[in-house]
Amino acid sequence: DAGVIQSPRHEVTEMGQEVTLRCKPISGHDYLFWYRQTMMRGLELLIYFNNNVPIDDSGMPEDRFSAKMPNASFSTLKIQPSEPRDSAVYFCASSYDRGQSEQYFGPGTRLTVT
Amino acid sequence: GENVEQHPSTLSVQEGDSAVIKCTYSDSASNYFPWYKQELGKGPQLIIDIRSNVGEKKDQRIAVTLNKTAKHFSLHITETQPEDSAVYFCAALRIKAAGNKLTFGGGTRVLVKP
Repeated sequence: DAGVIQSPRHEVTEMGQEVTLRCKPISGHDYLFWYRQTMMRGLELLIYFNNNVPIDDSGMPEDRFSAKMPNASFSTLKIQPSEPRDSAVYFCASSYDRGQSEQYFGPGTRLTVT
Repeated sequence: GENVEQHPSTLSVQEGDSAVIKCTYSDSASNYFPWYKQELGKGPQLIIDIRSNVGEKKDQRIAVTLNKTAKHFSLHITETQPEDSAVYFCAALRIKAAGNKLTFGGGTRVLVKP
C-alpha cells in the first residue's frame, strides 16, 4: 500500500480564498483523522470519521472549517475564507480499529495564507 | 478531557548517550500510550506503544515505561545515533464507545550530536 496520500503537499494562498486539502486513507482503514500542527499549539485533532461518518468535530476551530468524507477512500478539509492564522501543516491519518491501534499519518500539507 | 504534558521540549545528547523523555497524563482511564517520531518534512510515525496492563516494553534501543499510579510514562533511547534526531511525541488514549481519539503531548526535539 502507498500509505496515506495527501494533496497538495504545499499550498500558498491569499487571505479570503478558499482552500481545499485532500486525503486518501489506507485501503481497509475505517477511521480517518485530520490534524493541524503549529509551533504554538503542537498537534491538534480537528475532526475524525468512522466509516465515513464524522464522530467528533470538537477540534474544528470555527465555522470557516469544514470536512467531508464522501466515501471510504477520500476526504477533504476545506477552509473558507482562509486567514493568515490558518497557516500550518495539516495532517491526515487513518487507522483500522477503534481500539488501541496505530494511526498512520500522511506526509502533510503545508498551508501558507498571506 | 485528557491533557498530556511532555518534558523536556528540547534535548541535546552526545552520540552513544541515552535520552529520556517524560510525559504525564490527566485521565486515569487512559489505557493506551503510543510514542511517535517525526522527522523533518514528514508525518509522525509510531515507534513504540504500551498498554495499561504492562509496566515496561522494549524494542531494541527503545524502551517505554508506564506508571499508572503516578499517571506518567517515559521513553528511553539508549546508544543514541544521529538518525535518532527528530521530534518525539507521546500520546494517550482512552477507548470510547465511538472511537480512538489520541491526545498528544507538546513534543520533544531531540538532537544527537556526533
